[in-house]
Amino acid sequence: QSALTQPRSVSGSPGQSVTISCTGTSSDVGGYNYVSWYQQHPGKAPKLMIYDVSKRPSGVPDRFSGSKSGNTASLTISGLQAEDESDYYCCSYAGNYSYVFGTGTKVTVL
Amino acid sequence: EVQLVESGGGLVQPGGSLRLSCAASGFTVSRNYMNWVRQAPGKGLEWVSVIYSGGSTYYADSVKGRFTISRDNSKNTLYLQMNSLRGEDTAVYYCARGYSNNFDYWGQGTLVTVSS
Repeated sequence: QSALTQPRSVSGSPGQSVTISCTGTSSDVGGYNYVSWYQQHPGKAPKLMIYDVSKRPSGVPDRFSGSKSGNTASLTISGLQAEDESDYYCCSYAGNYSYVFGTGTKVTVL
Repeated sequence: EVQLVESGGGLVQPGGSLRLSCAASGFTVSRNYMNWVRQAPGKGLEWVSVIYSGGSTYYADSVKGRFTISRDNSKNTLYLQMNSLRGEDTAVYYCARGYSNNFDYWGQGTLVTVSS
């Protein structure tokens, strides 16, 4: 199972919007509505930010949103804030009781 | 409050074995599906294994036949028995609770280093 493809890095100024893409195949991203996104600060555990493509867990700011089209999922951070600077990983159910993560994207707030 | 606390990591020689533990509180391990996810130094996340509430277990191809996931319901604890360890198994190992094919709570991780 190959890792899902994410851009290595994206950046934006405070208040701007950034979008991170996550490209897989019809066997993972395109085949199931089980795409999630995780935020990971250096040296810390990942934190669930989006699940089931576009749902937000309690406590996650509504400036984080998710979507999917075909084999590509996206995470958008609107109104970028300094504390959003972090690594972000997508993940998809891949069938046969397995999961695949993305390659990870570093978000930099300029 | 949901908490997951991993332990058991350390330095092990290639070919050796190690057992990781993940003590859970705030929920019942046996009523949820539980996962192990690892992260090699400076690298991305990799799903390793899952155990469902019914006891079924599944593994990533990279660890199949070498790792075994299990749980002790009386201790509310998840385990990962790792045998025939290789250098490429060096990573921080996280336990994570599964929720609707996502991972909603994570432990802080435990570092496993495979080196001679």
